[in-house]
This record gives sequence, structure tokens and C-alpha cells, in this order.
Amino acid sequence: GAGVSQTPSNKVTEKGKYVELRCDPISGHTALYWYRQSLGQGPEFLIYFQGTGAADDSGLPNDRFFAVRPEGSVSTLKIQRTERGDSAVYLCASSFGGRGYNEQFFGPGTRLTVL
Amino acid sequence: QKEVEQNSGPLSVPEGAIASLNCTYSDRGSQSFFWYRQYSGKSPELIMFIYSNGDKEDGRFTAQLNKASQYVSLLIRDSQPSDSATYLCAVQGGKLIFGQGTELSVKP
Repeated sequence: GAGVSQTPSNKVTEKGKYVELRCDPISGHTALYWYRQSLGQGPEFLIYFQGTGAADDSGLPNDRFFAVRPEGSVSTLKIQRTERGDSAVYLCASSFGGRGYNEQFFGPGTRLTVL
Repeated sequence: QKEVEQNSGPLSVPEGAIASLNCTYSDRGSQSFFWYRQYSGKSPELIMFIYSNGDKEDGRFTAQLNKASQYVSLLIRDSQPSDSATYLCAVQGGKLIFGQGTELSVKP
């Protein structure tokens, strides 16, 4: 079966530009998570969706970051006025349920480079 | 203090040896503990989870949890070169918090 997919796999943009990163979770998974991973670090939690709603967005670093999941499936992470410090691999994960133990399956990530 | 801390590594062990990976966490309310493996350039994959104090074994892997000491470890027996990867400890109270990872290298 298909796993979590993310597009694009690589994105290079210039400082100040707007970017959108897409995540397509495993079919039937109601929970979706976004993480950011910098080189040599573990994934850093950004936001968690349960269905269409953001159940926990406490990891979003500032108001330049926003994420949506309008139909409870595909999610888009949006970054406005990108900065060089936003360069990282953005990982999406999905799980069958929400809080409590539910194995999170990770996508391949989108490598964002801000020049 | 970081919420989840791991040995900085890299850790190098010979093939067939036991690799021991350690993790401490700061939130006493944490309920679930996970070990993920991440190959270079790939995404993390879950290899073990543990909820209760004590040991949990799965094949060559054993996870150990001591909530009083806020300590989680992963033992890999009969290490193989294919085990060479970064191992991430993750702790869940509400959201999942990852450590920085420990790079393991198994030398043939």
C-alpha cells in the first residue's frame, strides 16, 4: 500500500518568498503531524491535525508558518517571507488515531533550502 | 536542559557486539517512549516502543525504561553493519519530542 507522500522532494527558494509543502497521508489515517529536522538534530514538532482541525499548533515557530488540512486528508504547510533559518527537511507523518500510542509513519520529507 | 537528551555519539561497535544507546527525559508526566531508526537521507522508522518500567524485547532489540530515573535505553544484540544509522529517542506526553539522535556505526 502507499505510504505517506510529500511533494516536492526538494525546494529551493529565495529569502522572502512564499512556499507551500504538501503532505498526502496514508489512506484512513486521521492524525497528521508536521516536523522540521535540521542537520544533526532530531525532528522538531510543528503541528498536529486530528481530522480537519489543528489539535496542537504549539510547535509553529512564528506566524510566518501556517498549515491547513481542509478535507481531513492532504495537508499543506505554508511558509511566508522565508528566511535562511527556515532551511531544513520538513517531515510529515500520519497515524491511524491521535493521542496515545499510535505509530506515526513518516514521509520522505521535503528538503527546503532558502538562499 | 533539553527535554530529551541522548548520547552525542558517534558510537562505534564491532560486528556481533552489543550496542547500547541511552536517553534521558525531563518531563515526569511522559507516558510513551519510542526508538526510531533513521538511515542517512531517509525518514525515521519506528523500531520499538515501551510504556511500562522494565525491559521489552523484540528480536535483537531490547528497550529498557526506568521512569524513576527518567531513563530509556535501547540495546542491540549481535550488531550488524546494516544497523548503522542514527537512532532517535522520542518521548510522548502530549506531543512527540525527539532527542538529537545517536549515530551508530557497526564495523565489519
